[in-house]
Amino acid sequence: DTEVTQTPKHLVMGMTNKKSLKCEQHMGHRAMYWYKQKAKKPPELMFVYSYEKLSINESVPSRFSPECPNSSLLNLHLHALQPEDSALYLCASSQPGGDTGELFFGEGSRLTVL
Amino acid sequence: AQSVTQLGSHVSVSEGALVLLRCNYSSSVPPYLFWYVQYPNQGLQLLLKYTTGATLVKGINGFEAEFKKSETSFHLTKPSAHMSDAAEYFCAVSGGGGFKTIFGAGTRLFVKA
Repeated sequence: DTEVTQTPKHLVMGMTNKKSLKCEQHMGHRAMYWYKQKAKKPPELMFVYSYEKLSINESVPSRFSPECPNSSLLNLHLHALQPEDSALYLCASSQPGGDTGELFFGEGSRLTVL
Repeated sequence: AQSVTQLGSHVSVSEGALVLLRCNYSSSVPPYLFWYVQYPNQGLQLLLKYTTGATLVKGINGFEAEFKKSETSFHLTKPSAHMSDAAEYFCAVSGGGGFKTIFGAGTRLFVKA
């Protein structure tokens, strides 16, 4: 059982739609991440939140908008996506600062953009 | 700066044979090293990690890895492959804190009956 929960597991959207991906963890971790993973590739870091503040944005297009409402929740708002944005979106959490950097991943949200 | 190189994008073994997945890293700071496994349509799961101390690290499902600083390697092994080991394996390096974990390109393990 994963301790990082992502919803929905699958999402199909058109290029004009607005949708959101959600992530929740109850491990008391204070760092949360969004990764994008294309088929047969490693995860690519998109955003990092530390103590509910955005600390890293890996030059992600503005059609992806992250939000961290509290220490347990992380959202990724999607708008005007392109077909090439179709991928597995992974949420992860960890203890920031001084820890080993072990990441705890959710099972991902499979996004298809038509 | 940190980087990870996984040798071999695909490895195929017979059931019961030794599994060896190779990983070399570079790091400007003492590294924390990880192996993650990803089954189809799932997230990544930690297999094992090296932080400090003992250089031979044991993980879940019978896997182990040895940190060799002189060779900058962290190869993953399992004495006897099982069909359920078929998956994608990622080696990763971190300087700590989890902010910037660098993943290798991944190695797909196939297990033949």
